[in-house]
Amino acid sequence: EDQVTQSPEALRLQEGESSSLNCSYTVSGLRGLFWYRQDPGKGPEFLFTLYSAGEEKEKERLKATLTKKESFLHITAPKPEDSATYLCAVLPRAQKLVFGQGTRLTINP
Amino acid sequence: SQTIHQWPATLVQPVGSPLSLECTVEGTSNPNLYWYRQAAGRGLQLLFYSVGIGQISSEVPQNLSASRPQDRQFILSSKKLLLSDSGFYLCAWSVRGGYDSPLHFGNGTRLTVT
Repeated sequence: EDQVTQSPEALRLQEGESSSLNCSYTVSGLRGLFWYRQDPGKGPEFLFTLYSAGEEKEKERLKATLTKKESFLHITAPKPEDSATYLCAVLPRAQKLVFGQGTRLTINP
Repeated sequence: SQTIHQWPATLVQPVGSPLSLECTVEGTSNPNLYWYRQAAGRGLQLLFYSVGIGQISSEVPQNLSASRPQDRQFILSSKKLLLSDSGFYLCAWSVRGGYDSPLHFGNGTRLTVT
């Protein structure tokens, strides 16, 4: 069964304190891994797609990386406006997207 | 650029009443369309998806239904709501044929069944 696990469930950081969010997956034939940001009461906003191990994508203070078993979303020198829930989703060979439960990130000023 | 509209933003309905949520996409043609439900602590659950007008696939048996009367319009309906239908409903689109293209979500409808 295709599964996605995100950790930690919640993370509190001080402004400027860098950290990483983890997305571990077990799927049959990864076709893509997606990262989304979701603000309270809003729909998820697409951030990155990663297709193969070793691939990296960057956007402002965020960098996503991918290995054969997991993906990391690195956040460098975060600001309070980076506070949100970050969702990971994987697309297996069966082509049914599987979402993780998300990591709720809070950046304190 | 492409945009997706979903309405209403919030809805409070009594048990047994009907439901109609609407979603429209602008700026793209022949999109794949999706309805998801997001419950607290349970992640995103795919309810329906459509690859074309009148083509609906259901992922979870329930008292909800979906229709796609036009290429860029997707409707989620129910004849009689249950308490368990409460949740956050999200419409999304992706590029047709782009099996590995990302989903793009609307801002959702918060449904409370009382």
